[in-house]
Amino acid sequence: SAVISQKPSRDICQRGTSLTIQCQVDSQVTMMFWYRQQPGQSLTLIATANQGSEATYESGFVIDKFPISRPNLTFSTLTVSNMSPEDSSIYLCSVRRSTYEQYFGPGTRLTVT
Amino acid sequence: DQQVKQNSPSLSVQEGRISILNCDYTNSMFDYFLWYKKYPAEGPTFLISISSIKDKNEDGRFTVFLNKSAKHLSLHIVPSQPGDSAVYFCAAKKALSSNTGKLIFGQGTTLQVKP
Repeated sequence: SAVISQKPSRDICQRGTSLTIQCQVDSQVTMMFWYRQQPGQSLTLIATANQGSEATYESGFVIDKFPISRPNLTFSTLTVSNMSPEDSSIYLCSVRRSTYEQYFGPGTRLTVT
Repeated sequence: DQQVKQNSPSLSVQEGRISILNCDYTNSMFDYFLWYKKYPAEGPTFLISISSIKDKNEDGRFTVFLNKSAKHLSLHIVPSQPGDSAVYFCAAKKALSSNTGKLIFGQGTTLQVKP
């Protein structure tokens, strides 16, 4: 498994502002992922962040709205830009090691007012 | 298009009995399946997985069964314990995907185990 931390754990933000979420892993990993879980919904992959390359975004998600950084093999950030109430969700980072299992951070609960 | 479906939003069982959580999928290209457990205010925790070349995988109290012809998998928890009360997600990975890390999740089933 992996020890993954996220900051902040929760935040309440005003619409139109941006929030950067940090994800720290206790060891080096190649693949990191960012997911969103909207209230009462499933987990949806936003993007895959591999170190040394641009993040790959899933359909419906764009870099201008969710810019991602991956400066090294243990850290990544996701920014939620120009927020609206529809962005209220839990944002989760995850990592994949040698097999297909992914290990998740505790999540960041975002509320946009 | 919901490719992974968990049609039961909730399940309640008595402590010591068997819990059976079900998951259906529509994409025959899925080749790996996983179950996660999620407590409130925590991230999902990996429980157990199964490759499409198998029909059963067991780990302690947890067993996952895969029926490829029916595109159905189930998670059995025996015996159920109150600490098993959580939301359970099934997830699937697509073979030959350009993104081998991508997991597609079901909507989740809330399991309540009553003492």
